[in-house]
Amino acid sequence: GQNIDQPTEMTATEGAIVQINCTYQTSGFNGLFWYQQHAGEAPTFLSYNVLDGLEEKGRFSSFLSRSKGYSYLLLKELQMKDSASYLCAVRDTNDYKLSFGAGTTVTVRA
Amino acid sequence: GAVVSQHPSRVICKSGTSVKIECRSLDFQATTMFWYRQFPKKSLMLMATSNEGSKATYEQGVEKDKFLINHASLTLSTLTVTSAHPEDSSFYICSAQGGGTGSYEQYFGPGTRLTVT
Repeated sequence: GQNIDQPTEMTATEGAIVQINCTYQTSGFNGLFWYQQHAGEAPTFLSYNVLDGLEEKGRFSSFLSRSKGYSYLLLKELQMKDSASYLCAVRDTNDYKLSFGAGTTVTVRA
Repeated sequence: GAVVSQHPSRVICKSGTSVKIECRSLDFQATTMFWYRQFPKKSLMLMATSNEGSKATYEQGVEKDKFLINHASLTLSTLTVTSAHPEDSSFYICSAQGGGTGSYEQYFGPGTRLTVT
């Protein structure tokens, strides 16, 4: 089975940095994804990690440690529009199914 | 980037009727499409995997006779909720895989909000 854990909620101030952790215990691993989802909308792709290390993409970075079953998404220079739910998802080894965590709701305050 | 559309975006239907939701990949051929369901403030739950020209693979606990999936072409998959009941009210999201910047990436449609009265 798949078990993916991430915090339920986080609050941060505009301009600050927030780190969203994700731990996973899955029967197989073929990559970890982070998605952003605004209320009532579909998820949008943020990042993909399949090897250990840090992937940086503008204000967003994602880190993966396969041995620890751990990833984080780092959001820098927070903007009000970054208020959303952030979903961690793990892809299975033998097929392309994604298993999603429950999502972390990030609220950015002025 | 790859674009996936869903139609309708919102639908309200009466209990006992059937509703069809379309998922289209607009600028790439999707060998695989996925159908998800999402309850308020919950994560996405995979319902089924749809491959063009073959029967869909349903996840455990999902009734295949209630949620009919057809993947007739490389750009279109449909989900039909048959004999809908209020508990079927949910946000249904499709995703498509097979194009864009990498075959590993799933591109999500904008979702369909179904309300059964």
